[in-house]
Amino acid sequence: GENVEQHPSTLSVQEGDSAVIKCTYSDSASNYFPWYKQELGKRPQLIIDIRSNVGEKKDQRIAVTLNKTAKHFSLHITETQPEDSAVYFCAASISLGTASKLTFGTGTRLQVTL
Amino acid sequence: EPEVTQTPSHQVTQMGQEVILRCVPISNHLYFYWYRQILGQKVEFLVSFYNNEISEKSEIFDDQFSVERPDGSNFTLKIRSTKLEDSAMYFCASSETPNYGYTFGSGTRLTVV
Repeated sequence: GENVEQHPSTLSVQEGDSAVIKCTYSDSASNYFPWYKQELGKRPQLIIDIRSNVGEKKDQRIAVTLNKTAKHFSLHITETQPEDSAVYFCAASISLGTASKLTFGTGTRLQVTL
Repeated sequence: EPEVTQTPSHQVTQMGQEVILRCVPISNHLYFYWYRQILGQKVEFLVSFYNNEISEKSEIFDDQFSVERPDGSNFTLKIRSTKLEDSAMYFCASSETPNYGYTFGSGTRLTVV
């Protein structure tokens, strides 16, 4: 089955700096790659996603890039703010008709310091 | 913004007892899921459900687990005989299409003692 690896496990940046989180996946059939932000004790919230027919997507300070050949995708957060502090999870998904499941990475704890 | 609603938010149960976790997916969504997250770990897929049938399940989803859509709005996860290792946060999710736009509920924290 699909395996998603995520690095780094923790990341500390100063406010205003950029943060980059990287994920690799194993199954070349995966075609959907969402990123979730999870604050302590709360639900994962979708912050951005990308489909396999697109190489890059941007939404204000957040961008995701996908390299299908290398089977990796990355989350970029620019001009980080203290409220960006959270755990970020990447995920990969294959849709097979009516079945789909998200395989999550192990998470990155992002700490934005003042 | 539409939400996926889960009840209860926290459930404590004794080992060996049955528990039912409840979810109300977003009304126009057709695909439903359960995931779990053991404290401090990643989110893990349990089961997906469409058209009143399980469409995929993980190795975690053994015979102790079952899902049901008892009426037009609820989606439930039953654990027949809970074990200590079932202690986790259980998230329900729903989506309009099978591979896009999941919305997660706020979770049920299950503690087995």
